Amino acid sequence: SQTIHQWPATLVQPVGSPLSLECTVEGTSNPNLYWYRQAAGRGLQLLFYSVGIGQISSEVPQNLSASRPQDRQFILSSKKLLLSDSGFYLCAWSVLAGGETQYFGPGTRLLVL
Amino acid sequence: GQQLNQSPQSMFIQEGEDVSMNCTSSSIFNTWLWYKQDPGEGPVLLIALYKAGELTSNGRLTAQFGITRKDSFLNISASIPSDVGIYFCAGHARGSTLGRLYFGRGTQLTVWP
Repeated sequence: SQTIHQWPATLVQPVGSPLSLECTVEGTSNPNLYWYRQAAGRGLQLLFYSVGIGQISSEVPQNLSASRPQDRQFILSSKKLLLSDSGFYLCAWSVLAGGETQYFGPGTRLLVL
Repeated sequence: GQQLNQSPQSMFIQEGEDVSMNCTSSSIFNTWLWYKQDPGEGPVLLIALYKAGELTSNGRLTAQFGITRKDSFLNISASIPSDVGIYFCAGHARGSTLGRLYFGRGTQLTVWP
């Protein structure tokens, strides 16, 4: 069966510091991978998605970037965090044959102080 | 951009009551998904719908893909305290980017014992 991991679970970082959040998927090959941010108020905002290694599409221009160094690894980064980057970051995966159904990871809570 | 209207925003019910929530879109969707999110965790897929008119059950949960392809509903029968959480609808619009899901803003469900 497929599983999705996110690391770390919680992170407190000062403004201006770098960021690296990791997402890994097990049990499937060639997944589509997604990064979302969920702010208070519950809405889910799509940040990046990837259909393959090295292929990244950005939905919203911002202080963040994403990379996919391996088939089942998706990384969310920032060189300098802003206060507004605080939030709950969710990684998700899907497969083309799955009819657009996405499965979410446990999330990373980021607090920028 | 694409908007999903999910209602109600919140519900306060007594244990044993039935619950109904719905989602409408301004354009035709070819996939409807329903998720549940517990505090501090990632959304968990409850039901996926892929055909207009499709009615699918998962235990006490039943969801339907509207005939017009612009709406979906989720029913929960005989609610129990562990049904508490935020329920999200999501969908993939016909003709939109591969893997691009649109999300409702969620229905916060509270169940009183």
